Amino acid sequence: EDQVTQSPEALRLQEGESSSLNCSYTVSGLRGLFWYRQDPGKGPEFLFTLYSAGEEKEKERLKATLTKKESFLHITAPKPEDSATYLCAVQAILRGKLIFGQGTELSVKP
Amino acid sequence: ETGVTQTPRHLVMGMTNKKSLKCEQHLGHNAMYWYKQSAKKPLELMFVYNFKEQTENNSVPSRFSPECPNSSHLFLHLHTLQPEDSALYLCASSQDPTDTQYFGPGTRLTVL
Repeated sequence: EDQVTQSPEALRLQEGESSSLNCSYTVSGLRGLFWYRQDPGKGPEFLFTLYSAGEEKEKERLKATLTKKESFLHITAPKPEDSATYLCAVQAILRGKLIFGQGTELSVKP
Repeated sequence: ETGVTQTPRHLVMGMTNKKSLKCEQHLGHNAMYWYKQSAKKPLELMFVYNFKEQTENNSVPSRFSPECPNSSHLFLHLHTLQPEDSALYLCASSQDPTDTQYFGPGTRLTVL
């Protein structure tokens, strides 16, 4: 069964304190792994898609990496506006639907 | 309007009411989705439409009835809901069912 587990559930950082969010997955043939950001009361906002182990993508202070079992979302020198819930999802080759993790709630304090 | 829009943004209804949620995408996509997001739980896929045809119903109770009149519009008709149906209902669209999905802002539904 396809499954996604994100850790930690919640993460509190001071502004400028770099850290990483983890997304562990099991899927029968990975088509793609997706990262989204979700602000309270809003819909998820697309960040990255990763397709194969070793792939990396960056956007401002965020960098996503992928291995055969997990993905990391690295946040470098975060700012308070980076506070949000970060969602990870996988899509299997044979099934189009996304399987989401429960998310990591990130809080960055000034 | 750009992206994916949803109306209403907030809805409070009684268990005997009938209401509808509306979603419209302005991205020229062919696939549309309904998701349910409950507190502290992963997003749950409810329905998938591709070129107006329903391709997936994720064992959703019949009190939720989707309608897709064209590739740009998606509705979720609600009747005889239960309090446990209270959640954020999200609509999404993608170019095709294997492509990146883009989400609307959601409708916060409260069932009394």
